[in-house]
Amino acid sequence: DAKTTQPTSMDCAEGRAANLPCNHSTISGNEYVYWYRQIHSQGPQYIIHGLKNNETNEMASLIITEDRKSSTLILPHATLRDTAVYYCIVRLWSGGYNKLIFGAGTRLAVHP
Amino acid sequence: NAGVMQNPRHLVRRRGQEARLRCSPMKGHSHVYWYRQLPEEGLKFMVYLQKENIIDESGMPKERFSAEFPKEGPSILRIQQVVRGDSAAYFCASWPGIAGGRGYEQYFGPGTRLTVT
Repeated sequence: DAKTTQPTSMDCAEGRAANLPCNHSTISGNEYVYWYRQIHSQGPQYIIHGLKNNETNEMASLIITEDRKSSTLILPHATLRDTAVYYCIVRLWSGGYNKLIFGAGTRLAVHP
Repeated sequence: NAGVMQNPRHLVRRRGQEARLRCSPMKGHSHVYWYRQLPEEGLKFMVYLQKENIIDESGMPKERFSAEFPKEGPSILRIQQVVRGDSAAYFCASWPGIAGGRGYEQYFGPGTRLTVT
């Protein structure tokens, strides 16, 4: 399984962009990068995923480096409700199903 | 996360008792994953089930833990003879299966918080 490395915690001012980095240097060619977040011990919430290309949806943008060894999740205008633990996950596909391997994540604190 | 139901939300058991945790996946989803989260840690995969089949139980402790997903009714995670170390949040995730496309994600329920006294 490819491992991910994330900073333990980050701060961001409300209204500013939050850029959360993730290293996954051992990722293989067919593994996707996924981001989930967990708000105050609720169930994790899917944010975005990508393989090679940059991706954007209504929640966030995902920038993956050309060598795929790292990625950055961007929350363009962070709000207080974005305070959560953010997990960068390299998804393992095995036997036709996807088993998520969670690390410790990054604890993002958005402050006024 | 809407649609994945777990009950009870909080469960208190004394050491040696049994705990039964239930998960009803989203409508149309026939695949369920169970994860455990110890305090201040990330989620750890436990087991993956399809209707009436256990596909991957590589994350399940070898003793006292079992899971099922019957043809009718919710998926159940059962912990026999609970110990204090079983205290954790248990999350299930619902998935429509590969027929839904490789992009379909796991949708998590709100979790069951088990406290063993």
